Amino acid sequence: KAGVTQTPRYLIKTRGQQVTLSCSPISGHRSVSWYQQTPGQGLQFLFEYFSETQRNKGNFPGRFSGRQFSNSRSEMNVSTLELGDSALYLCASSSSWGNEQFFGPGTRLTVL
Amino acid sequence: AQSVTQLGSHVSVSEGALVLLRCNYSSSVPPYLFWYVQYPNQGLQLLLKYTSAATLVKGINGFEAEFKKSETSFHLTKPSAHMSDAAEYFCAVSRPDSGYSTLTFGKGTMLLVSP
Repeated sequence: KAGVTQTPRYLIKTRGQQVTLSCSPISGHRSVSWYQQTPGQGLQFLFEYFSETQRNKGNFPGRFSGRQFSNSRSEMNVSTLELGDSALYLCASSSSWGNEQFFGPGTRLTVL
Repeated sequence: AQSVTQLGSHVSVSEGALVLLRCNYSSSVPPYLFWYVQYPNQGLQLLLKYTSAATLVKGINGFEAEFKKSETSFHLTKPSAHMSDAAEYFCAVSRPDSGYSTLTFGKGTMLLVSP
């Protein structure tokens, strides 16, 4: 089985722009979660989608949003980018509640 | 609220020595516990997980961890370190009120292995 894929792997944006990141889960997995990783804050949960519905949400401002499509692929969007949004964004998929999450390689976002 | 504390941001061992990475958690309800490893410029790879079955959990690459409820700990060990074990290790917890679907991570411990 192919693993979790994320595109693009690297992104450079400027302050004020918006960005969309994409995640394709492992085939058959219906839960997709997003995490932000920074040197200062570590790994923080953004949100989780299951069957196109946001099921859990972390403590991030409304500039961070996401969605999931009927094929379980997910996108996250960050609007009005700030320098502090520079991070590695990780996507993880899981087959069901309580099962382990499998992580993709991440998208490295740099905001200038 | 739940939290995870990893003692030591960096741990150095010699090749062949015991690896011990410490993790303590706080949770008002029985959690699931995980150890993940991250190599440079890569995502996270699951080493092992505790989901309320056996308290001693064996994982990949010779790692194991023991869940100790009385100590609220879930330390990761490996009898003999290998150079390829050098990476960053994260302990994580998930809770039933999130459907065990969200992970709260510790700050990570960088394992350095010297020849």
